[in-house]
Amino acid sequence: DAGVIQSPRHEVTEMGQEVTLRCKPISGHNSLFWYRQTMMRGLELLIYFNNNVPIDDSGMPEDRFSAKMPNASFSTLKIQPSEPRDSAVYFCASSLAGAENQPQHFGDGTRLSIL
Amino acid sequence: AQSVAQPEDQVNVAEGNPLTVKCTYSVSGNPYLFWYVQYPNRGLQFLLKYITGDNLVKGSYGFEAEFNKSQTSFHLKKPSALVSDSALYFCAVRGPNTGFQKLVFGTGTRLLVSP
Repeated sequence: DAGVIQSPRHEVTEMGQEVTLRCKPISGHNSLFWYRQTMMRGLELLIYFNNNVPIDDSGMPEDRFSAKMPNASFSTLKIQPSEPRDSAVYFCASSLAGAENQPQHFGDGTRLSIL
Repeated sequence: AQSVAQPEDQVNVAEGNPLTVKCTYSVSGNPYLFWYVQYPNRGLQFLLKYITGDNLVKGSYGFEAEFNKSQTSFHLKKPSALVSDSALYFCAVRGPNTGFQKLVFGTGTRLLVSP
């Protein structure tokens, strides 16, 4: 079974550039989560969707960050303009909402470096 | 509000010895508890969960966890550690009626198993 697929796996870009991270959730899952992981702050929930609708974006650090889910099989996280402090590993996870307490399934992340 | 504490940043154990990774939680109502493992350059992988029933939960790779309501703990255990168990371990909690499978994660505990 295909798991959560994230692309790219690595991204290196210069400060000020736009960055787009992509996620394909597991087929049939209707909840999708974006996390950021750093040594300093650990694992942070940025935003999550249910049935393609953003439910809670209180973890999004600032207006430079935006996320969309145009359909059930695709989501993007965009940073514009990017800054060096955005360097982190970004994870996407999906789960089956409505099925009691199913675990979240994580992709292998995008390692983002902003120079 | 829900919270999880993993009091140890790192746990060291010799191969073949039993291991315990500690987790305590705070939640209103009955908790739903999860353990995840993260290997280098990979996403978090689900290990096991406690929803209800038996306080001892068995999961993947020979791991188990014991739910203790009076101590609000959910410690991860394994009778005999392997070098390949060396990884980062996360405890997570979800309270009842929080909806959409949102989890609160601990800060993680690094497990080092020496040969």
